[in-house]
Amino acid sequence: NAGVTQTPKFQVLKTGQSMTLQCAQDMNHNSMYWYRQDPGMGLRLIYYSASEGTTDKGEVPNGYNVSRLNKREFSLRLESAAPSQTSVYFCASSAPGKNTEAFFGQGTRLTVV
Amino acid sequence: AQKITQTQPGMFVQEKEAVTLDCTYDTSDPSYGLFWYKQPSSGEMIFLIYQGSYDQQNATEGRYSLNFQKARKSANLVISASQLGDSAMYFCAMRQNRDDKIIFGKGTRLHILP
Repeated sequence: NAGVTQTPKFQVLKTGQSMTLQCAQDMNHNSMYWYRQDPGMGLRLIYYSASEGTTDKGEVPNGYNVSRLNKREFSLRLESAAPSQTSVYFCASSAPGKNTEAFFGQGTRLTVV
Repeated sequence: AQKITQTQPGMFVQEKEAVTLDCTYDTSDPSYGLFWYKQPSSGEMIFLIYQGSYDQQNATEGRYSLNFQKARKSANLVISASQLGDSAMYFCAMRQNRDDKIIFGKGTRLHILP
């Protein structure tokens, strides 16, 4: 049972570099989400996609772009990384329906130096 | 606007005691769901319990129960007979059903003392 798979698990970037965080789910879920977790700030929603072909901004979208490539995959791109984007990033997915929880990947620890 | 508030950054509780973690929320969507997640030091997110806005009874899952007070917009998590393994970060979350948006609170770090 793979569930939600994120790659990479760890990454160090230099300021100004770009990278894409990959996320794939094998549960046929419609909705997918990207969060960042910082100490004392909880999980903050960056972007989400309620269905294939749609994306919406969350609470902290600045500096990020997303692509819902197909139903399975939802990627997060940092075009020009900044030290303020040092964080742990979580991808999650959820099935349609009112009483279904979000399933999370294992997280990506990103450090921007 | 959709909002989740957890006002307890940290709590210390004696083993075997019950503990209540507070969560208040706000949304204009009449149809929503409330969740609690546990995050141990290893970092994974573990789903604990769910409450729908139209559910008549409070949700329970083993030692976890959700004290849902709709008029007060609160969804507190109650853990009965706490165990050392309950030491972790706990997050309250809300899903708006009209747009599937899920947001989280800042979390409460729970420490269970032997």
